Amino acid sequence: EDQVTQSPEALRLQEGESSSLNCSYTVSGLRGLFWYRQDPGKGPEFLFTLYSAGEEKEKERLKATLTKKESFLHITAPKPEDSATYLCAVTSNQFYFGTGTSLTVIP
Amino acid sequence: DVKVTQSSRYLVKRTGEKVFLECVQDMDHENMFWYRQDPGLGLRLIYFSYDVKMKEKGDIPEGYSVSREKKERFSLILESASTNQTSMYLCASSREGQGYSAYSNQPQHFGDGTRLSIL
Repeated sequence: EDQVTQSPEALRLQEGESSSLNCSYTVSGLRGLFWYRQDPGKGPEFLFTLYSAGEEKEKERLKATLTKKESFLHITAPKPEDSATYLCAVTSNQFYFGTGTSLTVIP
Repeated sequence: DVKVTQSSRYLVKRTGEKVFLECVQDMDHENMFWYRQDPGLGLRLIYFSYDVKMKEKGDIPEGYSVSREKKERFSLILESASTNQTSMYLCASSREGQGYSAYSNQPQHFGDGTRLSIL
């Protein structure tokens, strides 16, 4: 069954404590993998698109990587304002969204 | 910047009413989408449209219909609202992308959602 799974469901980090969020996918015919950030009460905000294994994208403290089976969102020295839910999505012959990782960064 | 605007942030309706949710995008995107988001279930696709007057069912189309008469506007209609349709509704748009496919390889850009309560 095609699906997208994110882990962990929730993550609490101290400010400055780097970590990674995982998105594993089992779809065939990947057309694109997308990372979004969602703040409470708002719509998802687009962060990155990855198209092929080995590709990497960076923006400030965030770095997204892609292999043939999973993607990682690395957060380096996070700040409290990085607290949000991070969503992973995949497009193949369908659209698939993961259920997200809720990140809390404690000052 | 892409702007996707949903007509209402909060809406309260009664069971059995016909409910219209409106969405407008200002980036001339070919594709538009309607999702609902519920705790623990994530985003679920209701319908999407890849061109004016064209639509495709998503994962949970039952009880909903859509209308796209103009490229910039996509409407979601709850034909007869029920309490299990209480949810956050999100509209999104995207460019067509490389190689024609209804399933674009371009990112979706979302509005801020409509929180709909059916009493």
